[in-house]
Amino acid sequence: GENVEQHPSTLSVQEGDSAVIKCTYSDSASNYFPWYKQELGKRPQLIIDIRSNVGEKKDQRIAVTLNKTAKHFSLHITETQPEDSAVYFCAASRGSNYQLIWGAGTKLIIKP
Amino acid sequence: DTAVSQTPKYLVTQMGNDKSIKCEQNLGHDTMYWYKQDSKKFLKIMFSYNNKELIINETVPNRFSPKSPDKAHLNLHINSLELGDSAVYFCASSRLDGTLNTGELFFGEGSRLTVL
Repeated sequence: GENVEQHPSTLSVQEGDSAVIKCTYSDSASNYFPWYKQELGKRPQLIIDIRSNVGEKKDQRIAVTLNKTAKHFSLHITETQPEDSAVYFCAASRGSNYQLIWGAGTKLIIKP
Repeated sequence: DTAVSQTPKYLVTQMGNDKSIKCEQNLGHDTMYWYKQDSKKFLKIMFSYNNKELIINETVPNRFSPKSPDKAHLNLHINSLELGDSAVYFCASSRLDGTLNTGELFFGEGSRLTVL
């Protein structure tokens, strides 16, 4: 079955710097890759997603890139701000089985 | 209006007791889920219902029993609670998109269960 590995488990960056979180997946049939952000004590919320027919997607300071050949996708956050501090989860799905396979999460810490 | 609401938000109980968590969504979605998030923050799918039909039933103890009376509700009943059941339980809903992917998951606020 599908397996999603997420690295690093913790990432600490200076405010204003960029942060990159990487996920690798095992099932080449996976075609949908969302990223969720979970602030402390809150619910996970979708921040960006990408489908396999696209290599990159941007939304203001966040972007996701997908490399289907290498089977990895990454979340890029530029000009980090204190409110970016959270746990970020990647996930992958191949569709029809309705199931998202989740990464273990990355705790992002923004240092002032 | 709250999109996905679950009750109670906090639940403290003794080992061996039976408890229920209720979930309701007003988004008109056809698929609902229960997730367990332990202290290490890992999100683990437990169950998923599509149009009141069970479609995902991960390896969870049969002490956990979901019930979906209609598309907008998915409840979770837990029998004979154990210490290891302590976690945050999230309900979520989604609408399948044209490619049968889950689409965006909308999570409830979570129910923090503490078993003493």
